[in-house]
Amino acid sequence: GESVGLHLPTLSVQEGDNSIINCAYSNSASDYFIWYKQESGKGPQFIIDIRSNMDKRQGQRVTVLLNKTVKHLSLQIAATQPGDSAVYFCAERGSGTYKYIFGTGTRLKVLA
Amino acid sequence: DTAVSQTPKYLVTQMGNDKSIKCEQNLGHDTMYWYKQDSKKFLKIMFSYNNKELIINETVPNRFSPKSPDKAHLNLHINSLELGDSAVYFCASSQDSHTEAFFGQGTRLTVV
Repeated sequence: GESVGLHLPTLSVQEGDNSIINCAYSNSASDYFIWYKQESGKGPQFIIDIRSNMDKRQGQRVTVLLNKTVKHLSLQIAATQPGDSAVYFCAERGSGTYKYIFGTGTRLKVLA
Repeated sequence: DTAVSQTPKYLVTQMGNDKSIKCEQNLGHDTMYWYKQDSKKFLKIMFSYNNKELIINETVPNRFSPKSPDKAHLNLHINSLELGDSAVYFCASSQDSHTEAFFGQGTRLTVV
């Protein structure tokens, strides 16, 4: 069946440290991947995306890595701040489809 | 200005009632979606419309009926509400199948 990630784990990180959030996806035909951040009471907010013809993409304080061989996606957040506390979702989209399949999310807690 | 707006933000209703959630996007996007987020934060696509045409219908009970009067609006009507319909419903839009989806703030539906 469809699955992107299987748990809702919690990652606790000290303020100022780097965070790495991982995601496994199941559809090898997916060609577009997105990371979303969802704060309490709000909708998912786009952070960064990557297409399948790339293996790394950098934004402001964030880097997404894509390993198609093992169907793995990661989000790295540099110098994690309290405002980064949220649930993070990876999402994949199959080639030629309009369907975004979301993982179950990872809760990031930033410790002061 | 809110890019994707949905109303109401909260909806509490009794079992058996019929209710609607409205969604509007001012981004000029061609594609709109409805997602359901359960109590475990899992986000699952329900419907997708492209240029007012239904393109995804993900095994959703026919009590749920989306309506797209124009490209900027995608409303969700739910008949005969059940306890299991309680969830947060998110509307989203994207320019096409190759770009990220923008989400609304969600509608928390509670069926009592």
